[in-house]
Amino acid sequence: EAQVTQNPRYLITVTGKKLTVTCSQNMNHEYMSWYRQDPGLGLRQIYYSMNVEVTDKGDVPEGYKVSRKEKRNFPLILESPSPNQTSLYFCASSPYSGANVLTFGAGSRLTVL
Amino acid sequence: QKEVEQNSGPLSVPEGAIASLNCTYSDRVSQSFFWYRQYSGKSPELIMSIYSNGDKEDGRFTAQLNKASQYVSLLIRDSQPSDSATYLCAVNRDSGYSTLTFGKGTMLLVSP
Repeated sequence: EAQVTQNPRYLITVTGKKLTVTCSQNMNHEYMSWYRQDPGLGLRQIYYSMNVEVTDKGDVPEGYKVSRKEKRNFPLILESPSPNQTSLYFCASSPYSGANVLTFGAGSRLTVL
Repeated sequence: QKEVEQNSGPLSVPEGAIASLNCTYSDRVSQSFFWYRQYSGKSPELIMSIYSNGDKEDGRFTAQLNKASQYVSLLIRDSQPSDSATYLCAVNRDSGYSTLTFGKGTMLLVSP
């Protein structure tokens, strides 16, 4: 089944404890991106990757890191999580070179205490 | 700052009625337009894309685009309770552009 898989789906952590949210797609898509969704603010892009080893900042990159060493994987790293990073995170991918027809993962709900 | 504006709703319609969802965008050079549906607690899923002025129909859904007015809409005919969800409008400059800008969404409630 063609899909974008995120893990973990739910996570409660404490301030400052490094964590990684994994994202993997099995559709050989070029483009991948991370979004966060907050009430009243909608979906906001954190980072994106147009291809392997090519990543760039979105609208809200502060406090996050990403890497794209393989085409299928695009992990989101929170080096020192803070409570304002409590959010619902979505990974998405597109078969095109840019952000066009996006397929989203199921989401990862992160709570930072 | 590119902006995509939607009425947050909720838009309430009875079952069988036509639901009309609207979206305006600020970036005049936008070329690609999308409607995503998001059920509560779920991820967005693409339901319509439109790239040219006019109407595009797919089953009970019709997307309408007017680039001169910077306006895109989604009509849902014969609305069903299962259509109750938040509908997100998304806009891009072109298929190769890096960023898809989303509106905050309109909540649709279809009552039996």
